[in-house]
Amino acid sequence: QVQLVQSGAEVKKPGSSVKVSCKASGGTFSTNAISWVRQAPGQGLEWMGGIIPIFGTPKYAQKFQGRLTITADESTTTAYMELTSLRYEDTAVYYCARMLDSTGYYIEVWFDPWGQGTLVTVSS
Amino acid sequence: QTVVTQEPSFSVSPGGTVTLTCGLSSGSVSSTYYPSWYLQTPGQAPRTLIHSTNIRSSGVPDRFSGSILGNKAVLTITGAQADDESDYYCVLYMGGGIWVFGGGTKLTVL
Repeated sequence: QVQLVQSGAEVKKPGSSVKVSCKASGGTFSTNAISWVRQAPGQGLEWMGGIIPIFGTPKYAQKFQGRLTITADESTTTAYMELTSLRYEDTAVYYCARMLDSTGYYIEVWFDPWGQGTLVTVSS
Repeated sequence: QTVVTQEPSFSVSPGGTVTLTCGLSSGSVSSTYYPSWYLQTPGQAPRTLIHSTNIRSSGVPDRFSGSILGNKAVLTITGAQADDESDYYCVLYMGGGIWVFGGGTKLTVL
């Protein structure tokens, strides 16, 4: 059974960067189908972006273009999410989630399993 | 930018049936948006209930079902139980490798 284990909580200053890792263990798993989703305190889930095999390059929600980089290291089955130019409103729990697909084209996708979440706090 | 809409809150009596919806600020949801539904309890990561409109994820009780009704995707819970009290999120595929979550529905069972 695949499990995703994320790195620990971070406290960052405005304007700095954060890099969160997501290591897969158990079962056969490719880190090249991973999404990152965040949840600000008391708010809903927000899809940030993902590595999706058929697209060649990571896809990012427009809101995060230019600040977000998602990468994966197949040799260590670890995915990474780096967010730069941090703002107070980036304070959130960040989740990684495997993208499962039933067609091979990564359109009929669902997110399962999820990592345990990493709290990133942006504070001066 | 298209917004995925969900009821902010909903209430159901124990044993009752509730239908939560997932729509678009502009346009209709169809099966080609491949809606999926997630349940999240406080302090926990989300878990999958339904994917591909109406396929229950492994271990999900059959009182949870998904469908397209009119111009929205819906999640129906029949025979609601106290531990169904959670936040429910839908997510839609927008094309071009982009997904968008709805704002979530806080379900109260009382």
